[in-house]
Amino acid sequence: DADVTQTPRNRITKTGKRIMLECSQTKGHDRMYWYRQDPGLGLRLIYYSFDVKDINKGEISDGYSVSRQAQAKFSLSLESAIPNQTALYFCATSDREDSWMTQYFGPGTRLLVL
Amino acid sequence: AQSVTQLGSHVSVSEGALVLLRCNYSSSVPPYLFWYVQYPNQGLQLLLKYTSAATLVKGINGFEAEFKKSETSFHLTKPSAHMSDAAEYFCAVTVAGKSTFGDGTTLTVKP
Repeated sequence: DADVTQTPRNRITKTGKRIMLECSQTKGHDRMYWYRQDPGLGLRLIYYSFDVKDINKGEISDGYSVSRQAQAKFSLSLESAIPNQTALYFCATSDREDSWMTQYFGPGTRLLVL
Repeated sequence: AQSVTQLGSHVSVSEGALVLLRCNYSSSVPPYLFWYVQYPNQGLQLLLKYTSAATLVKGINGFEAEFKKSETSFHLTKPSAHMSDAAEYFCAVTVAGKSTFGDGTTLTVKP
């Protein structure tokens, strides 16, 4: 089945470490997104990409960077992790042919920064 | 810029009772509106979306939502709650390819 996958599903790291979260999709969608979810705050957009050569900051991009290695792959990096980056991270995709831009989400990566 | 407000972070209903989850939005252009559902330990999945074809939108699992432009609302309802409806629900507005999500409403269903 077409799918959005995220690796790892869970990660514990220490303050100051660099880590990468990966997202892959087999839906053939052009658009990909990274969100973080915190209790009571809904989902907030970190970065988004409408195609391989297009990268845009979202509302909370500070402390994060991304790489769109291919149409199907979109990675999120924390250059120097800090405890307030502890959160649930979601990757999502949407199809530019879909006028309503419905989003399809991966299962999430739970990150704990000690 | 667009915004979404979900009224009530927690809603509790009895099994078989009406479910009403409230969502109000703000957008300077006609928005696309969505409800997503998140079951425990899962990602979000689409419940329904407003596409301007009809103001009353039917989704999966018996849910529906009504778009009311005059009230800038897109409330989610289900006539009879089931235990399996227990989840977190997010309203979202999409403009220019970017989605803004509400803070979420956790629905608890009591037996």
